[in-house]
Amino acid sequence: DAGVIQSPRHEVTEMGQEVTLRCKPISGHDYLFWYRQTMMRGLELLIYFNNNVPIDDSGMPEDRFSAKMPNASFSTLKIQPSEPRDSAVYFCASRGQGDYQPQHFGDGTRLSIL
Amino acid sequence: DAKTTQPTSMDCAEGRAANLPCNHSTISGNEYVYWYRQIHSQGPQYIIHGLKNNETNEMASLIITEDRKSSTLILPHATLRDTAVYYCIVRVTNFGNEKLTFGTGTRLTIIP
Repeated sequence: DAGVIQSPRHEVTEMGQEVTLRCKPISGHDYLFWYRQTMMRGLELLIYFNNNVPIDDSGMPEDRFSAKMPNASFSTLKIQPSEPRDSAVYFCASRGQGDYQPQHFGDGTRLSIL
Repeated sequence: DAKTTQPTSMDCAEGRAANLPCNHSTISGNEYVYWYRQIHSQGPQYIIHGLKNNETNEMASLIITEDRKSSTLILPHATLRDTAVYYCIVRVTNFGNEKLTFGTGTRLTIIP
């Protein structure tokens, strides 16, 4: 089975530009998560979806960040406008039904805002 | 979620069993123990999880003490590709608590 697929793997862009990160969860998984990892703050949960519906977005840093899940096989995390402090590795994860089911992570998108 | 304590670093010879301990003395009855690892520049990789019984899969074994206050992850025949940071996470598995708290973990180095 294919794991969680994220694109792009690397993104370098200038401050002020719009950035869109993409994620394809594991087929059949009902939960999708977006995380951000930095050296200073470690791994932070930004938002998660259940059955395509956002459940908890309390980790989204500010209004410049938005996430959507238009269908069960695709999600986006958008930053507009981007700032240098948004530079981080962004991970997507998914898990199946059953509260004890583990989350499975993609390989992330390394984002650099100049 | 209960706090976990892990050694900062460990070394293990290639081909030997790597035993990674984790202390979770404040664990509650409905909290599962999860193990992940992260190899540089990759996403966290799920290894194994358990509630109170010992568990084994193709990657590793998880031994949980009878009082559930500690656990050990065992990689039976360590290879160089097992060099990574290993995280022990305890999580209440009920609706709404989806946050995985990754601590500082154990940096495992496999020595050739």
